[in-house]
Amino acid sequence: QKEVEQDPGPLSVPEGAIVSLNCTYSNSAFQYFMWYRQYSRKGPELLMYTYSSGNKEDGRFTAQVDKSSKYISLFIRDSQPSDSATYLCAMSERGSQGNLIFGKGTKLSVKP
Amino acid sequence: DGGITQSPKYLFRKEGQNVTLSCEQNLNHDAMYWYRQDPGQGLRLIYYSQIVNDFQKGDIAEGYSVSREKKESFPLTVTSAQKNPTAFYLCASSITKQDGRVFGQGTRLTVV
Repeated sequence: QKEVEQDPGPLSVPEGAIVSLNCTYSNSAFQYFMWYRQYSRKGPELLMYTYSSGNKEDGRFTAQVDKSSKYISLFIRDSQPSDSATYLCAMSERGSQGNLIFGKGTKLSVKP
Repeated sequence: DGGITQSPKYLFRKEGQNVTLSCEQNLNHDAMYWYRQDPGQGLRLIYYSQIVNDFQKGDIAEGYSVSREKKESFPLTVTSAQKNPTAFYLCASSITKQDGRVFGQGTRLTVV
């Protein structure tokens, strides 16, 4: 079983839809959870950063962490064509090593 | 503006040649990283450095070398020992290993 699983998509939605992106993981020691957005041929940019369980909201984006289920989600409300990108989840353990493990990414397309 | 600059954006290498990818940051971050991204794959860690004059191998270090002589700079050399070097290479930095990574815009290396 891979440490981090992420459905590669592609996921296509109409403009204005609510998008749900998800990752599952197997390592119960993961404490830090992140979502990155990557446009084609560009470097990833950090969207959301959460520690341990709970929700975090930033504008149209909400990140959720459910450590009991080893499941994290990113919700995008009122999706826009400019949200079309690949979304990568990433997570790491607490401690001096803290190597960041990335999912393979989900490709999202928002149609006008 | 603070950020990470990678150069060149595109690089072509003949088989048997060594090439060096440049990465410079002006964020005053201590930690720097090199990742490799292949189609349909997550980001894989090649090397990382937490402090000047010190670096550690990541998951796929074979065929690569790095140096960290200055805090701002972390060049990556792809040697002729790397059997499949065609990929998208991403440099990143962070304040500490627990923090989110700030990525450069990447260098696309193609072996011709």
